[in-house]
Amino acid sequence: EIVLTQSPGTLSLSPGERATLSCRASQSVTKNYLAWYQQKRGQAPRLLIYGASSRATGIPDRFSGSGSGTDFTLTISRLEPEDFAVYYCQQYVSSPPGVTFGGGTKVEIK
Amino acid sequence: EVQVVESGGGSVQPGGSLRLSCAASGFTFNSKAMNWVRQAPGKGLEWLAYITDNGRTMYYADSVRGRFTISRDNAKDSLFLQMNSLRDEDTATYYCARDPNVISGKPAGYAMDVWGHGTTVTVSS
Repeated sequence: EIVLTQSPGTLSLSPGERATLSCRASQSVTKNYLAWYQQKRGQAPRLLIYGASSRATGIPDRFSGSGSGTDFTLTISRLEPEDFAVYYCQQYVSSPPGVTFGGGTKVEIK
Repeated sequence: EVQVVESGGGSVQPGGSLRLSCAASGFTFNSKAMNWVRQAPGKGLEWLAYITDNGRTMYYADSVRGRFTISRDNAKDSLFLQMNSLRDEDTATYYCARDPNVISGKPAGYAMDVWGHGTTVTVSS
């Protein structure tokens, strides 16, 4: 079973600061099929990044994704008030075929 | 507007069954694979099942394989999740989510770009 480990569990930052979130896979991610989502309280998840580094439609350029193989990063260059939320990474697994999510990182206001 | 709307949640006793539905609109449903994802109260996201655009291939998480069945009716732009032998730990909000296959000309890599608001399932005696 391939596991995605996100760190830190909670990130306490102030608006305007830079946020760096990590997602580590227990095995190499198939074709860098790694996505990032944002979820605010009481809302459905929102796709931010797909293919490890491509921004989804309408996502501000302060969000960026990077990494390959087993280590991936989501960076929020300057936190806006609306960015305080929980972030999940997700990968596609080819054998057996399916999808897994990381446990999430909460970005909270310091 | 591109959207998916889940329905069919409710309260059920352990061992019972429930069928969730997801109505799609604003896009060509029969050209997109679909997923079910759930979230237990206060917990993270858990992927459950995937079905290809033509409904011929399905994948399941180990936690639900053999108990849950994903299906679709492309003539009615609808996705379903039949849930049998329900357990306390199946209590969650259930989301349907679209796999766009391609975003801006690039492979989406099984990402999910359109999500519903979810429907709540409570399993309790």
